[in-house]
Amino acid sequence: GQQLNQSPQSMFIQEGEDVSMNCTSSSIFNTWLWYKQDPGEGPVLLIALYKAGELTSNGRLTAQFGITRKDSFLNISASIPSDVGIYFCAGQMGGTSYGKLTFGQGTILTVHP
Amino acid sequence: NAGVMQNPRHLVRRRGQEARLRCSPMKGHSHVYWYRQLPEEGLKFMVYLQKENIIDESGMPKERFSAEFPKEGPSILRIQQVVRGDSAAYFCASSPPINQNIQYFGAGTRLSVL
Repeated sequence: GQQLNQSPQSMFIQEGEDVSMNCTSSSIFNTWLWYKQDPGEGPVLLIALYKAGELTSNGRLTAQFGITRKDSFLNISASIPSDVGIYFCAGQMGGTSYGKLTFGQGTILTVHP
Repeated sequence: NAGVMQNPRHLVRRRGQEARLRCSPMKGHSHVYWYRQLPEEGLKFMVYLQKENIIDESGMPKERFSAEFPKEGPSILRIQQVVRGDSAAYFCASSPPINQNIQYFGAGTRLSVL
């Protein structure tokens, strides 16, 4: 099946630092989504991207849909302790795969106060 | 406006028993998706349903697993004759009819098979 390669696998940062993570694929996606998952909970949607080159912000979060439509990145600025969690990218290919999200393996973020 | 509701949150079954997982989508959402998550992994797509229709079941195991979304009531993911390898977190998501790109997830059902 389709694979999304998400990196880094984990990050340990100090409060106040900026964070960057990305996802790449060998396939083209029509939509990129970024989710955050806390322990024991379901993924919560952070940002949705619909067009190649699109740059979208949600508070301290900024995400971009790569020009080639095969990658996306998420930046978190001025991290705070509540940013701790697992961040997932997800892509939707469209066509016969419409409605089916492919997820990356996740980036585990730890923020030290 | 309540979010996606899943129950039970935790389910324990012995090998060979049946597991039934329920999902009520957000109000106004007519599309439901089921995903499975193993520990320390991302979510894997299982099935996409609309009311009374299975749209895409390409991620469903060929045996023992079935899903439905009846005209009335919640969507059900059914696992017959569970085995230890079925232990995982099962998440349901829903999307509005006008934008199936956006999926909102429930809190999940954690299935443990003894």
